[in-house]
Amino acid sequence: QKEVEQDPGPLSVPEGAIVSLNCTYSNSAFQYFMWYRQYSRKGPELLMYTYSSGNKEDGRFTAQVDKSSKYISLFIRDSQPSDSATYLCAMIYTGFQKLVFGTGTRLLVSP
Amino acid sequence: DTAVSQTPKYLVTQMGNDKSIKCEQNLGHDTMYWYKQDSKKFLKIMFSYNNKELIINETVPNRFSPKSPDKAHLNLHINSLELGDSAVYFCASSSGYNSPLHFGNGTRLTVT
Repeated sequence: QKEVEQDPGPLSVPEGAIVSLNCTYSNSAFQYFMWYRQYSRKGPELLMYTYSSGNKEDGRFTAQVDKSSKYISLFIRDSQPSDSATYLCAMIYTGFQKLVFGTGTRLLVSP
Repeated sequence: DTAVSQTPKYLVTQMGNDKSIKCEQNLGHDTMYWYKQDSKKFLKIMFSYNNKELIINETVPNRFSPKSPDKAHLNLHINSLELGDSAVYFCASSSGYNSPLHFGNGTRLTVT
């Protein structure tokens, strides 16, 4: 079993839809959780960074962490074609020097 | 002004050749990394350096040799290239291990 599981997709939605992207993980020690967006032929860019459980909102994006279920989510409201990209979750804990990535979910938002 | 820049962007070479990829960051970060991304988009850490000191060497073949001349630069030299080395290599930096990574735009290596 991989440490971090993420459905590779693709996930296809119409413009304006609410998108839910998810990751599950096995190591309860993880404390810091991140979401990256990667456009084709570009490097991953940080979207959201959260610590421990709870919600964090930034514009159209909301990151949610449920440590009891070992489950994190990224919600995108009013999705746009420009949101079409691969979304990678990542996580780490204090003392562990490696950020562990999910395999990424490819999102396609059609006009 | 690019925060993490790596060169070249594309590298096409034949098996057995030696090649280098360069990376520079202007964010003032102490920690730099090399990641390999395979065709399925999985990002796997190869090396990390903290203030020029090697911290992580993630069971990478010793044909891969990173070098950090100063904390703003981390280069990757690959000897005797093999077909399986074809991938996208990303350089990244961070201000600490719990901090987010800032990635370059990658070097797409194709070995023929």
